[in-house]
Amino acid sequence: AIQLTQSPPSLSASIGDRVTVTCRASQDIRSELGWYQQKPGKAPKLLIYAASILQSGVPSRFSGSGSGTEFTLTISTLQPEDSATYFCLQDYNQPWTFGQGTKVELK
Amino acid sequence: EVQLVETGGGLVQPGGSLRLSCAASGFMFSDYDMDWVRQPPGKGLEWVGRFRSKNNGYTTVYAASVKARFTVSRDDSEKALYLQMNSLKTEDTAVYYCARTKYCSGGSCALDSWGQGTLVTVSS
Repeated sequence: AIQLTQSPPSLSASIGDRVTVTCRASQDIRSELGWYQQKPGKAPKLLIYAASILQSGVPSRFSGSGSGTEFTLTISTLQPEDSATYFCLQDYNQPWTFGQGTKVELK
Repeated sequence: EVQLVETGGGLVQPGGSLRLSCAASGFMFSDYDMDWVRQPPGKGLEWVGRFRSKNNGYTTVYAASVKARFTVSRDDSEKALYLQMNSLKTEDTAVYYCARTKYCSGGSCALDSWGQGTLVTVSS
């Protein structure tokens, strides 16, 4: 199975900061990766699919980039409601696999 | 509005069985591949299995950790997805989510709608 490694495991940032989360795949997965946001006690929410396409209704401060084995989720201007855990998910082949998550906290 | 509602979670002893249900509404259920994803308490997400739509072959696929113990089924007339879990282990303790796959040009490419989850606890 393809392994996804996220970094950092957690980070602390201030309102208005630019935040970057990285997901590295154990093999080439082209652009077949998505990003999800999960708040405590809630289901995950799709933010980005196909590495860089913003899901409908998601604020434009979220963006994704990358292909092959290196992917990045960027929050351009951190807002209070962005405090959450972020997961990447590869859909290149079965079984689909998730990264271990990055917890984003506010300073 | 897309809605997915999971039911059937609870406490079960190791070696026991449980059947989860997911009731779908607000979309053409039969057109979509449907997945189960789980999350142990305080841990990350694990993809569990899928039942593909008729257009995609009406077949199932599973994670290695549950293959031969779990079975995903669906009833398109009832707009329902099921997860039959047998030979349960303590490590199967998790919140189980039902999720709809998003169709992209190359096939299913993401999980764009999720239920609220149902907790399964495997313990003696």
